[in-house]
Amino acid sequence: GAVVSQHPSRVICKSGTSVKIECRSLDFQATTMFWYRQFPKQSLMLMATSNEGSKATYEQGVEKDKFLINHASLTLSTLTVTSAHPEDSSFYICSAAPGLAGDEQYFGPGTRLTVT
Amino acid sequence: AQSVTQLGSHVSVSEGALVLLRCNYSSSVPPYLFWYVQYPNQGLQLLLKYTSAATLVKGINGFEAEFKKSETSFHLTKPSAHMSDAAEYFCAVSEGRRDDKIIFGKGTRLHILP
Repeated sequence: GAVVSQHPSRVICKSGTSVKIECRSLDFQATTMFWYRQFPKQSLMLMATSNEGSKATYEQGVEKDKFLINHASLTLSTLTVTSAHPEDSSFYICSAAPGLAGDEQYFGPGTRLTVT
Repeated sequence: AQSVTQLGSHVSVSEGALVLLRCNYSSSVPPYLFWYVQYPNQGLQLLLKYTSAATLVKGINGFEAEFKKSETSFHLTKPSAHMSDAAEYFCAVSEGRRDDKIIFGKGTRLHILP
């Protein structure tokens, strides 16, 4: 089956620093990847849609200069949280849609970010 | 715009009893509907999906859901609950294109009582 990985699974960083999270599709090409954020005991909120080779589309209310998304290849998208603050602490989950016609997104295992 | 509403943020059932998790959707186009399960500190696992074929959809771990257009519902059921079913369950909707975003409900925490 289709597998999506995320790295790191957990990261702790100090306030004011930047942290990069990688999302990889391991056995398929993904022209589109999605980034979600999940606060404790809450649902997933879509942050942005990432298309290979083009700029990401951000959802309303998401700061694109703070959450930098790069989709440089068909198997890799990165989310960089710049100048992180404690309120950015959350669970970040990516998903990937296959390049072939399909009706399913495959989700990564998530990255727990803690900003101290 | 699409949306889903999950009725009940917490549901408790006894082991061996019927599980029923409710989901109603809103969509201006024929929807694709999903149920996902999430265990603590883990990602999402797809339980089942409706993609405009059979209205009764069977998924993994003994779960199934029925698409009812007249009621705009997609409730999740399992005949007999198991302790391992305790988790967070999310109903979700999309327009069905492979690159379309998925909109999630707020989730229902399922508790299994011994």
